[in-house]
Formats: sequence, structure tokens, C-alpha cells
Amino acid sequence: DVKVTQSSRYLVKRTGEKVFLECVQDMDHENMFWYRQDPGLGLRLIYFSYDVKMKEKGDIPEGYSVSREKKERFSLILESASTNQTSMYLCASRNRDRGSNKETQYFGPGTRLLVL
Amino acid sequence: AQKITQTQPGMFVQEKEAVTLDCTYDTSDPSYGLFWYKQPSSGEMIFLIYQGSYDQQNATEGRYSLNFQKARKSANLVISASQLGDSAMYFCAMSPQRRALTFGSGTRLQVQP
Repeated sequence: DVKVTQSSRYLVKRTGEKVFLECVQDMDHENMFWYRQDPGLGLRLIYFSYDVKMKEKGDIPEGYSVSREKKERFSLILESASTNQTSMYLCASRNRDRGSNKETQYFGPGTRLLVL
Repeated sequence: AQKITQTQPGMFVQEKEAVTLDCTYDTSDPSYGLFWYKQPSSGEMIFLIYQGSYDQQNATEGRYSLNFQKARKSANLVISASQLGDSAMYFCAMSPQRRALTFGSGTRLQVQP
């Protein structure tokens, strides 16, 4: 069974704290993504990674960084949390089946982060 | 740049009936993929179906089928025999190969008994 897990479902942090959100997939996928979802703004891409130690900025990378030291793990770091980073954070991993050419992208359950 | 448009903010359907959720897209990439996701109130994004731009046949996955009309740049999701558990937000998304997805604004589907 396909699995993308995120370290926390709910998280409460204080302004200025350093926050780590971890995402792990067990499908040996190369591509992993971090999104945030906000009412009225939809899903927005923060960062993505095509392979270990590779990362690319998405649409809204400011205030975030990422780490991909192992293929299965993609971490999102909020260097100094601010109230405008209160959001739902969704991790995803993606693969293309070389036989069928079918792509799949699976999401983790999400982390609802509240920054006070 | 890619753009996804979902023109139906909300839809109602009677249980056991079929429903079509609209999605149009715009891209200059010759090769791309189209995805549909379901997001229930719990917040998780559930992958439903994928259609590649070069696929000759429309994708189907159980009660879900994708009505792909490439010339019109539309990728509508058809849910047959609606169930109460189908009530959720539905998102259409697309990307060029291996790139990040661009999402539409979503359609809230409510299935009535």
C-alpha cells in the first residue's frame, strides 16, 4: 500500500521558533514536493526535489528551506516561524511507471500548523 | 505557465446519480499530465485518476472516469453512481512531465440522499 507520512497532524509553535516538518515516503519515488494550502489561495508550491540533495524553489519559498539527505525523506524547515505561516502543509511524492507511462502523485495526510 | 480553471464552486447531486465536474486547462507544453484529487473534510488529498496528454483512451478508475478532450483543453471528471461518501472538495491539476502540479480552485460536491 502506498504510503506518504508526515511527522505531525497538528502543530502549535510560537513566533520565532524554528520548525521542522518531516515527510517520508516508502515508494522509492524520486520526486517530492511541499505545498501549503490556505482558504481562498488554494495549493501553492513551496519547494520540490527531484533527487537526493537536489532542491528547487517553488512559487512561495520565502521563509522556508528544505533538506533531502535521503531519497525517502523530504524535510521542510521554517527558519523563524511567523504568524503568516499558519497553514495546512502538504507533502507529496511522485512517480512515473516506465511500463505504462502512468504518473501518480500521492499526498501525505497534511500538517495543520498554528503559529502564535 | 500553466493554468487550471474549475468554473463550478459547488455542485449538488442525488445519491446514485452520475455527476460531471468541469476542468479546463491552458499550457504550451506538448507533453503533460492531468490529475484529479478528492479532499474530504479531514484535509488529506486523495489521488483519484491520471490522464497523460498522449493517451489515446480516456482514463478510468472504478467509478471515476476522465473525459479528456485535448483540442478543447478540457479534462472533466465523471463520477458514476454517486455515494454519500463522495461529498468532498475535488481538485483538478496538471503539470508537464515530472514537474510540480498546478491546481485549480476546486469544486465542492455535495451528495444528497
